[in-house]
Amino acid sequence: GENVEQHPSTLSVQEGDSAVIKCTYSDSASNYFPWYKQELGKGPQLIIDIRSNVGEKKDQRIAVTLNKTAKHFSLHITETQPEDSAVYFCAASSDAGNMLTFGGGTRLMVKP
Amino acid sequence: KAGVTQTPRYLIKTRGQQVTLSCSPISGHRSVSWYQQTPGQGLQFLFEYFSETQRNKGNFPGRFSGRQFSNSRSEMNVSTLELGDSALYLCASSLAGQGNRAFFGQGTRLTVV
Repeated sequence: GENVEQHPSTLSVQEGDSAVIKCTYSDSASNYFPWYKQELGKGPQLIIDIRSNVGEKKDQRIAVTLNKTAKHFSLHITETQPEDSAVYFCAASSDAGNMLTFGGGTRLMVKP
Repeated sequence: KAGVTQTPRYLIKTRGQQVTLSCSPISGHRSVSWYQQTPGQGLQFLFEYFSETQRNKGNFPGRFSGRQFSNSRSEMNVSTLELGDSALYLCASSLAGQGNRAFFGQGTRLTVV
C-alpha cells in the first residue's frame, strides 16, 4: 500500500519568514495530494491540494509543488504569521476511492 | 452550507463496552470516510462508504464497523472496546466519486478506561 513520509516533524520560524514542509510517497498510482492544517481541538482543515497533472499551485501565501518523477511534494508558506502555527499534514490518494494516506505531521511554530 | 457534523464530541467508555459514533456529511456529499487519530499512529484510514456501500476498508480489526444511510449520514461502531481504542475519530465527507476533496468534522474524542 501507499506510504507517505513527512519532514520535518517540527519547524520553528520567525514571523515573516518562509516555511517549507516536504513529503514523499511510494505508490506511483497516487494522483491527488492534499494538505491539511489542524489546530488544537479541531479537525483537519483542507488548505490546498494538487493533482498529478499539475506541477505547482498557489493560493495567496501558500503554494504546493509536485515532482512526480521523484515522488515528492512540498508545501511552501511565505510571510508566516502567528496564526499559521498548527500541525500540518500531507496526504496522498489514488483513484481507488477516497482513501487518504497521511504523513506523520509537522508542528509549525511561528514566533512573533 | 453547514460543515461535517460529528456527535458526540466526547465520550468516555469502559473496556469491553461498545460505542456508536455519528457523522452527518456536508449536504450533497455522498462519500463518508472515517479515520482514527492517535499520537502514536497518526491519522489512519478506517473505511469509506459511498451510496450506502463500503467501498474501501483500512487495516483495522473486525471490531470496527460502519454503515451509511440513504441520506448519506454514517455511523461507526466499535465493539469490545480496548484501552488502545482511545483516540480522536474523524469523519470526512466528499462530493462523489473518487479522488475528491475531503472535508473533516471536528471529531469525536473517545476515551476508554
